[in-house]
Amino acid sequence: QLQLQESGPGLVKPSEPLSLTCIVSGGSITTSSHSWDWIRQPPGKGLEWVASISYSGDTYKNPSLQSRVTISADTSKNHLSLRLSSVTAADTATYYCARLKQQMVFGPPLNWFDTWGQGIQVTVSS
Amino acid sequence: DIQMTQSPSSLSASVGDRVTITCRASQGINIYLNWYQQNPGKAPKLLINSASTLQGGVPSRFSGRGSGTDFTLTISGLQPEDFAIYYCQQSYSTPRTFGQGTKVDMK
Repeated sequence: QLQLQESGPGLVKPSEPLSLTCIVSGGSITTSSHSWDWIRQPPGKGLEWVASISYSGDTYKNPSLQSRVTISADTSKNHLSLRLSSVTAADTATYYCARLKQQMVFGPPLNWFDTWGQGIQVTVSS
Repeated sequence: DIQMTQSPSSLSASVGDRVTITCRASQGINIYLNWYQQNPGKAPKLLINSASTLQGGVPSRFSGRGSGTDFTLTISGLQPEDFAIYYCQQSYSTPRTFGQGTKVDMK
């Protein structure tokens, strides 16, 4: 059974970088037809997609965060990483990693987040 | 970016009620629309993908319809465990975007 587990600091100081890891077990991050995404949720608010990395290493980022976000994958450890530079209070959120499952059709592949980690709460504060 | 707008933002209902949530995309997205349920303190859970395909293990009282710009999620016979927040999400293009959520609470 596929499981995702986020880890990282719960508290980060303003202007410092935030680094998170998502450990994937029960499946390989190099399996085709899957991508791996980060999604965040500020307290009491809705969901915001942050970034994605495909099984082949292609990356996609939310334009609103593009200049500050780095997403990567370590295939030897079967985990993903997210780095967000120069954080502010607006980056306070629960961060989720999720698997994006894709289904090839005539056109862009259908895709959906079928498995999520439990999330890690990150607070930006001095 | 494709904007996703859900209505209503919240609703109150009773066990056994039929509930319908609407999601509208700012441009046509074919059937690239997914629905998630989120309980307090938990990660979202996929209910329906591709507008109408029920995820395995999800009760059949949940159903989804629509294509293009207008979509609905219907719960036929609300159960106590269905009081939660529901989100739609478009998967047509990046950035992947979510609706603002619809909170279903007990009347």
